[in-house]
Amino acid sequence: EVQLVESGGGLVKPGGSLRLSCAASGFTFSSYSMNWVRQAPGKGLEWVSSISSSSSYIYYADSVKGRFTISRDNAKNSLYLQMNSLRAEDTAVYYCARDRSTVVTTIDYWGQGTLVTVSS
Amino acid sequence: QSALTQPASVSGSPGQSITISCTGTSSDVGGYNYVSWYQQHPGKAPKLMIYDVSNRPSGVSNRFSGSKSGNTASLTISGLQAEDEADYYCSSYTSSSTPYVFGTGTKVTVL
Repeated sequence: EVQLVESGGGLVKPGGSLRLSCAASGFTFSSYSMNWVRQAPGKGLEWVSSISSSSSYIYYADSVKGRFTISRDNAKNSLYLQMNSLRAEDTAVYYCARDRSTVVTTIDYWGQGTLVTVSS
Repeated sequence: QSALTQPASVSGSPGQSITISCTGTSSDVGGYNYVSWYQQHPGKAPKLMIYDVSNRPSGVSNRFSGSKSGNTASLTISGLQAEDEADYYCSSYTSSSTPYVFGTGTKVTVL
């Protein structure tokens, strides 16, 4: 069974930093691209970032480019999102999500999410 | 990259069929067969219902079906049930510098 468990969310002041982690199990992590998708309170889904299976290809939404860094450790079956210079508009539930293949095409499994609140 | 356009809400009575549209451009929906649909109940993570325009993952009811014509994709739910009441989002691969774009979301209400 595919499992994705996010951690690292919490309350942070504007301008602060946070690192999200996603522990994957139930599949061969190194064979799949991975993604972060967020959802602000009461709003829709917003794609944040993607990373291919070997980390060769990395993509960011314009809204986070230059502030967020996605990475992965295939030996530890883990995905990360380093978030710097956080803003109030970054407040959201952040979901770790698996792609269906080694390259980015379709998200098929989602974690339960971790809440990030940016507020003074 | 602008969000794909979905109706804000769609409703139907139990047993009826409803269709949710998802309109994009030739750079996303119209250009690729990587259109997906997700169901999200309140407080829960999204769940994949349709991928590659019309394919259902194992375990998803055959009451859910997908199609595409030009720059518009559609999700049809037949035999509407109370448990289908949820938010639905479409998504597409895009040719822009960012690989994914989501739809604006549609709230399905079972009357």
